[in-house]
Amino acid sequence: DAGITQSPRYKITETGRQVTLMCHQTWSHSYMFWYRQDLGHGLRLIYYSAAADITDKGEVPDGYVVSRSKTENFPLTLESATRSQTSVYFCASSLGAKNIQYFGAGTRLSVL
Amino acid sequence: GQQVMQIPQYQHVQEGEDFTTYCNSSTTLSNIQWYKQRPGGHPVFLIQLVKSGEVKKQKRLTFQFGEAKKNSSLHITATQTTDVGTYFCAGCVVNSNSGYALNFGKGTSLLVTP
Repeated sequence: DAGITQSPRYKITETGRQVTLMCHQTWSHSYMFWYRQDLGHGLRLIYYSAAADITDKGEVPDGYVVSRSKTENFPLTLESATRSQTSVYFCASSLGAKNIQYFGAGTRLSVL
Repeated sequence: GQQVMQIPQYQHVQEGEDFTTYCNSSTTLSNIQWYKQRPGGHPVFLIQLVKSGEVKKQKRLTFQFGEAKKNSSLHITATQTTDVGTYFCAGCVVNSNSGYALNFGKGTSLLVTP
């Protein structure tokens, strides 16, 4: 899945700091997604985007901001990181809302 | 909201034993997808089922979609240590906002002991 990349792979930050996780895909997929994965909770959708400049909330959007000025990029920003946001974050993309989702390798974020 | 329930949450088997995970939805699904996530890895697509009653096989893996398109199962015959990981189902439902939405189950984590 070299077509979708996330950066950084690992990040340690402190409470209250702003953090941006990057996601880039080369397939020109319309849809992009951000999930967080925590033990016992599976994959929880944070935000998704149906196209450039179109974003919508998922199941757990509080504390996160997204933007999508270009089709290929979908950054996720934690404006003021909290310890509860320590998690593994996955970005995914797909052709359409009902199509196969292709996941990036993930970003492991620790908020101290 | 519309949820996809997946059971069991965990399963520990001896190598060679069979394994099954089940997925249930309260609403009719447009399709269902299955993903596998190896420890430390990311979810990877396995298969998609679309038709009512559909059965698909991939080597030792058998996927079924219920007649009512509300449930699905993944069965692994004679597990191997390479089957270790978390298996997710993802049900596609009609969503008023964007047409469709893919809702992931919480996954079943499979541990295989040699």
